[in-house]
Amino acid sequence: KAGVTQTPRYLIKTRGQQVTLSCSPISGHRSVSWYQQTPGQGLQFLFEYFSETQRNKGNFPGRFSGRQFSNSRSEMNVSTLELGDSALYLCASSLTGANTGELFFGEGSRLTVL
Amino acid sequence: AQSVTQLGSHVSVSEGALVLLRCNYSSSVPPYLFWYVQYPNQGLQLLLKYTSAATLVKGINGFEAEFKKSETSFHLTKPSAHMSDAAEYFCAVIPGPGNTPLVFGKGTRLSVIA
Repeated sequence: KAGVTQTPRYLIKTRGQQVTLSCSPISGHRSVSWYQQTPGQGLQFLFEYFSETQRNKGNFPGRFSGRQFSNSRSEMNVSTLELGDSALYLCASSLTGANTGELFFGEGSRLTVL
Repeated sequence: AQSVTQLGSHVSVSEGALVLLRCNYSSSVPPYLFWYVQYPNQGLQLLLKYTSAATLVKGINGFEAEFKKSETSFHLTKPSAHMSDAAEYFCAVIPGPGNTPLVFGKGTRLSVIA
């Protein structure tokens, strides 16, 4: 069974640009969550999507957005990039929802903003 | 809101020695607690979870954790460290009922010395 796949794995952007990250969950999983990981703040929850609906949202500015498609694949977008957005963005899928705590993580997309 | 505190951002042990990674939670009700591991350049992987069925929880790779309500602790242990255990370990909690996402601690980096 294939795991959670995130693309791209690495990317470099400049301030002011926007970026779109993609996540394909484990087959059959309907929940996709996104986390931002930085050395200073650790893992911070961005949002969760379940069956194409945003179920929960963390405390991030509106520049951070996401969506989920009918095949459960998810994308997150960050507009008007800032230096502080440099981080590892992790996607996690779950069969019935992130509130079970049992998440399956991808390897992440490492974003560097110059 | 419930949270977890991991004591020690970095722990170093010799190969074959006991591994003890500390986690304390803040909660007035029995929480759902988890330990995740992140190997270099990988996503997080669930090690074990506590859901009030038993206070001693066994996980993968020989790890276990004991829930102690009197100490509000959920420390992770392994009797004998292997080089392959070198990774970052995260304690996490589901902070409340409903569709609330996992909240992670800051993480503890485990180094294993040959």
